[in-house]
Amino acid sequence: EAGVTQFPSHSVIEKGQTVTLRCDPISGHDNLYWYRRVMGKEIKFLLHFVKESKQDESGMPNNRFLAERTGGTYSTLKVQPAELEDSGVYFCASSQGYNEQFFGPGTRLTVL
Amino acid sequence: DQQVKQNSPSLSVQEGRISILNCDYTNSMFDYFLWYKKYPAEGPTFLISISSIKDKNEDGRFTVFLNKSAKHLSLHIVPSQPGDSAVYFCAASLYYSGGGADGLTFGKGTHLIIQP
Repeated sequence: EAGVTQFPSHSVIEKGQTVTLRCDPISGHDNLYWYRRVMGKEIKFLLHFVKESKQDESGMPNNRFLAERTGGTYSTLKVQPAELEDSGVYFCASSQGYNEQFFGPGTRLTVL
Repeated sequence: DQQVKQNSPSLSVQEGRISILNCDYTNSMFDYFLWYKKYPAEGPTFLISISSIKDKNEDGRFTVFLNKSAKHLSLHIVPSQPGDSAVYFCAASLYYSGGGADGLTFGKGTHLIIQP
């Protein structure tokens, strides 16, 4: 069974540009989460989807971040325009019902 | 304001001995706690969990202890093996479930180094 996959693995962009991160959850998992880890800090929750609906987006930093999950399958997280403080590793996780969350390998975003 | 704290950034333990990783939390509403293990360039991997109605959960070499009155939990690994070298994250959930009902609140992690 394939795990959670994320694309790209690395992205380097300049301040002001737009970047879109993609997450493919484990097949059949209705719950999908986005997290971010800034270097040396804790992993912070951003957003929780149940199927295609946003269950909780209390962790989204500001309106430069837009997450979508069309059709309840894969999800995208767009940052527009990117700022220096957006640099970090973005993790996606998925779960089946209330069971534990499985994490993807992350996308390392560097904003120059 | 951090609600889950791991005050030891790193811990070095000899192979074969016991590793004890600690975690404190401030939010008394947390009902479920998890430990995740992370290798470089990989995502966190679920290790073990405990609900707030228990004080101990054991799985092979891994045991998690919960002290609700002290808002403290610990992960014991015995015996420690070289493959245990990784960053360990403590996480908490507001829901009494398997950790998949809501976004988790994580600590900063403890880097465990197992020395031969």
